Amino acid sequence: QKEVEQNSGPLSVPEGAIASLNCTYSDRGSQSFFWYRQYSGKSPELIMFIYSNGDKEDGRFTAQLNKASQYVSLLIRDSQPSDSATYLCAVLTSNNDMRFGAGTRLTVKP
Amino acid sequence: SAVISQKPSRDICQRGTSLTIQCQVDSQVTMMFWYRQQPGQSLTLIATANQGSEATYESGFVIDKFPISRPNLTFSTLTVSNMSPEDSSIYLCSVAWGGSNQPQHFGDGTRLSIL
Repeated sequence: QKEVEQNSGPLSVPEGAIASLNCTYSDRGSQSFFWYRQYSGKSPELIMFIYSNGDKEDGRFTAQLNKASQYVSLLIRDSQPSDSATYLCAVLTSNNDMRFGAGTRLTVKP
Repeated sequence: SAVISQKPSRDICQRGTSLTIQCQVDSQVTMMFWYRQQPGQSLTLIATANQGSEATYESGFVIDKFPISRPNLTFSTLTVSNMSPEDSSIYLCSVAWGGSNQPQHFGDGTRLSIL
């Protein structure tokens, strides 16, 4: 079982819709969770981080964490074509190791 | 926000040679890391660069192949030694302020191709 799992996509949504990106992790002791956006040919850019169960909102982005289900998600409201990128879920494990998922490729169609 | 500079941005190297990649931050950071991202893949941690001591390597990565230096709190280098085509990848430096649970921020990466 991979430590951090994401659907590879591609996930395609129309402009203005909500994009929902999901991530599961295997280490129940993980405490810190991060979402990065990576445009093609560029390095990852931090979007959100979340440490506690529940929702955390920042502009059009909402991170959701459910530690009991070992599940973290990222919602993007009012999706724009500029949101088209690969989104990486990262989890800091109980060994203090950062583990990245393979990423979900999102396409927002005008 | 801090500026994280990586040099070179890209290089094409011959098999058997070595290349040193530099990572410079414009402010002192607690943690510095080196990752590899192979085409179409996610990020794999190579090692944590420790200031003033030997780097901590992940399973599958060894110091002889990937020697790392971190002489101070703003600078680190990663050397890819005795390169083979399998080393063709993007190498990324990341930094974090505060503890290891803090978000990491990435440099622009070095795209390395081995002929």
